[in-house]
Amino acid sequence: SQQGEEDPQALSIQEGENATMNCSYKTSINNLQWYRQNSGRGLVHLILIRSNEREKHSGRLRVTLDTSKKSSSLLITASRAADTASYFCATDAVPSGTYKYIFGTGTRLKVLA
Amino acid sequence: NAGVTQTPKFQVLKTGQSMTLQCAQDMNHEYMSWYRQDPGMGLRLIHYSVGAGITDQGEVPNGYNVSRSTTEDFPLRLLSAAPSQTSVYFCASSYSVGNTEAFFGQGTRLTVV
Repeated sequence: SQQGEEDPQALSIQEGENATMNCSYKTSINNLQWYRQNSGRGLVHLILIRSNEREKHSGRLRVTLDTSKKSSSLLITASRAADTASYFCATDAVPSGTYKYIFGTGTRLKVLA
Repeated sequence: NAGVTQTPKFQVLKTGQSMTLQCAQDMNHEYMSWYRQDPGMGLRLIHYSVGAGITDQGEVPNGYNVSRSTTEDFPLRLLSAAPSQTSVYFCASSYSVGNTEAFFGQGTRLTVV
C-alpha cells in the first residue's frame, strides 16, 4: 500500500484565497517532499523538509511537518490560476533500507479566476 | 540541459506484445526509478536503481523488467503487455534517494488493447 495519502482529494478555491492540503504517511521518514504536476506533464519539485524540521517556507509555499502525527501540510498563499495542478507528497521510508521513494495519491487543486 | 528524457511519448500495444520504454538522464544521478500513474492512484513505484548494475523492486514490479548497465540509462521492459498495464509511465532520477529533489521525465502514455 502507498506510504502517503493526501487530503482532500480535490480542492476548488477562488484566486487570491489560500489553499491547504495535507499528507499523512505510515512509517518513520528522513525527509518529505512536495511536488506539483500540471495536467499531462511530469512532476516538478516544490520543497523538501527534513524530519528534524517543523516548518519551511519557499515564496508563497509554507510546509509543516509533524513527525509525531506522521503528517505534513502544504499551504499555498494568495493562490493564482497558474497554481491549478495536482500536488503530491513523497517520502523515503525508514528504516526499510530499501531506498524506496513513495508518493501519495495527490490533491487536485483548481484555482478559479 | 536535457534532464530526464523518456521515449516514446505515446505507444499503443496489442496484448502479448513486448516493448521497452527508454529513460536517459544527463545529470550523473545515481538513483533512478520508474513509476506508473493511474487515475486516483497517484504514482506507484515499479522498479528502482541505486547505481549501475543495481536494481530492486518497488510496489508493483510484476510484468516489468529493468536493467542498469550505465549511470545514464534505465530502460523499462514490458515482457508481455496486458490491458492492466495501460497507464502513464514516469521515469525519475535524483542524486540520492529522498534527500535531494527528483527530476521527472515528461511521461510515456501507454495503451494496451
